[in-house]
Amino acid sequence: KQEVTQIPAALSVPEGENLVLNCSFTDSAIYNLQWFRQDPGKGLTSLLLIQSSQREQTSGRLNASLDKSSGRSTLYIAASQPGDSATYLCAVLYNQGGKLIFGQGTELSVKP
Amino acid sequence: DTGVSQDPRHKITKRGQNVTFRCDPISEHNRLYWYRQTLGQGPEFLTYFQNEAQLEKSRLLSDRFSAERPKGSFSTLEIQRTEQGDSAMYLCASSLAIAGYNEQFFGPGTRLTVL
Repeated sequence: KQEVTQIPAALSVPEGENLVLNCSFTDSAIYNLQWFRQDPGKGLTSLLLIQSSQREQTSGRLNASLDKSSGRSTLYIAASQPGDSATYLCAVLYNQGGKLIFGQGTELSVKP
Repeated sequence: DTGVSQDPRHKITKRGQNVTFRCDPISEHNRLYWYRQTLGQGPEFLTYFQNEAQLEKSRLLSDRFSAERPKGSFSTLEIQRTEQGDSAMYLCASSLAIAGYNEQFFGPGTRLTVL
């Protein structure tokens, strides 16, 4: 069964700290992997997409890595800010046309 | 606004009533997806369309649920005889799936509450 797991479920850090969010998936034959941000009661905002042939993607203070052989992806957030507080979701696409399989998310709180 | 839009944003209904949600994808996107999200969980896939063809349906999509995408533009999701267990956020996404690339963009969602 294709499953995606995110650990931890919740994380609280002081402002300015660098942090890593983890995502693991059971089937390594992925097409791509997306990281999303979700604010309470809102839709999802796409942060980064990593193709299966790529090892990492960067956007501003965010860096996402992909290791298919170990079934893991990480989202690195540098110099965290209170505005980064949100739930971060990892999602895997196993074939080009189909559904995203989501993890349960990590709820991040950055304290001023 | 050129993003994915959904209407209504919130819907409160009584058990047994029918409800219909609308999604307008990003223009020129050929694929449209519906997901459902309950509190504290990640979204779960319901169904997706390529143009007007419905290509995949989850077993979560019982016979009370029906989705359409006439003319390959906007889509509607109808739930008949709503149950309290249908209370959730219904999310729509679209993508332009071209060779080697498929990034999905999500709308703001429709929050359904069944009393």
